Amino acid sequence: GAVVSQHPSWVICKSGTSVKIECRSLDFQATTMFWYRQFPKQSLMLMATSNEGSKATYEQGVEKDKFLINHASLTLSTLTVTSAHPEDSSFYICSAAGGGSGNTIYFGEGSWLTVV
Amino acid sequence: GEDVEQSLFLSVREGDSSVINCTYTDSSSTYLYWYKQEPGAGLQLLTYIFSNMDMKQDQRLTVLLNKKDKHLSLRIADTQTGDSAIYFCAERSGGYQKVTFGIGTKLQVIP
Repeated sequence: GAVVSQHPSWVICKSGTSVKIECRSLDFQATTMFWYRQFPKQSLMLMATSNEGSKATYEQGVEKDKFLINHASLTLSTLTVTSAHPEDSSFYICSAAGGGSGNTIYFGEGSWLTVV
Repeated sequence: GEDVEQSLFLSVREGDSSVINCTYTDSSSTYLYWYKQEPGAGLQLLTYIFSNMDMKQDQRLTVLLNKKDKHLSLRIADTQTGDSAIYFCAERSGGYQKVTFGIGTKLQVIP
C-alpha cells in the first residue's frame, strides 16, 4: 500500500540553527502534502498545506518565514525550521493522500525535534 | 470551522471490549478516520469509513457512524495490552485532503 516516509525521525539542534525535515511518498505521487505539529499530550494541528510547484498555504498563526516549506517534486516535501528556538521543540508529522481513489490519508512516522 | 471532540481517557480490562467515541461538527465530512499512536511513534491508520456508510468491520475493529448525530465510535473487541495507545478520531471534508483531528483518547488496558 501507499507509504509516506519522514526523515529524520529524531533530531537535536542548537538554538539559532536551522533544521530540515523531509517527507516522501514512496510509491505514489502526491501533489499535495500536509504538515502537522503535535505538542505533548495534545492533538495534531495543521501547520500548512504543501503544494507541488507552488507556494505552501499556511494556517493562521503559523509563521511562513520560520517554517519554510518546499514541494519541489511529486514525491518530496521539506519543512525547514529556521532559527530554531526551544519552543519549536515538538513532533512534526506530514501526510499525503494515497491509494487509487485518494480515500486514505497516510502519515509519515513523524520527526521529533528538540532544540537545546 | 471543523471541530472534532473525544473523551480523553478510557480504561478497560484485558479481554473486554473497548468503545471510543467521537463527535464532529462538519456536516460535509466525507471520510472519517481512526488512527492509533503509540508512545513516541507516528500515526498508524486503523480504519476509515465513508460518510454514506453506517458500519464497517475489520477483524477486531468495528466502526459505527451516526451521520444524523455526527457521532463516530470505534469498538475494539477482545482488547489486548498491545492496544494501549492514544486513538485519534479525524474527519475529512468534501474533496479536500486536509484532516481535522480530535484531541485523542488514551486507552489503558489493564492486565
